[in-house]
Amino acid sequence: RKEVEQDPGPFNVPEGATVAFNCTYSNSASQSFFWYRQDCRKEPKLLMSVYSSGNEDGRFTAQLNRASQYISLLIRDSKLSDSATYLCAVMNTGFQKLVFGTGTRLLVSP
Amino acid sequence: DADVTQTPRNRITKTGKRIMLECSQTKGHDRMYWYRQDPGLGLRLIYYSFDVKDINKGEISDGYSVSRQAQAKFSLSLESAIPNQTALYFCATSDLTSGRQDTQYFGPGTRLTVL
Repeated sequence: RKEVEQDPGPFNVPEGATVAFNCTYSNSASQSFFWYRQDCRKEPKLLMSVYSSGNEDGRFTAQLNRASQYISLLIRDSKLSDSATYLCAVMNTGFQKLVFGTGTRLLVSP
Repeated sequence: DADVTQTPRNRITKTGKRIMLECSQTKGHDRMYWYRQDPGLGLRLIYYSFDVKDINKGEISDGYSVSRQAQAKFSLSLESAIPNQTALYFCATSDLTSGRQDTQYFGPGTRLTVL
């Protein structure tokens, strides 16, 4: 089993739709969680950190479910510019390195 | 100006050649990382360095070596390139001393093709 798993997609949604991605992790000792956005052939950029209480940044909401060992990303009112690959990343205690999922591709159409 | 830069941005080389990819950062971060990205495999850690005197292997270090010449510079070398090292390579940095020590910042990437 991979340490961090994501549905590769693609998720095809129309503009204005709400879409959600999940990311599961296998190490119950994982401490820090992140969502990165990656545009085609570009570098990953931090979208948001994921806190235990959940957090929201504009149209984006991230949640952590420790019991079921997954994090989620909800995008409301999708824009064409949201089309990208969304990578989740998990950091384990002590080792201080990130493990990335393979990414979920989102395509928002007019 | 970009905080994390990588050179070259693109490189085509032949099997057996020695290649060096360079990474520089102006963020003043102590930690630096090298990843490769392949379709369907995501980002995989090659080497990482927590300070100038600290070098650690990642999950796929075979065939690679690194040098941390200064806090701001971290180079990745392929001693004898082979075709399955064709990939997109990213350098990243993070900062132990800031409140967001976990956050990694990526360079623009180097696209390497080994023929």
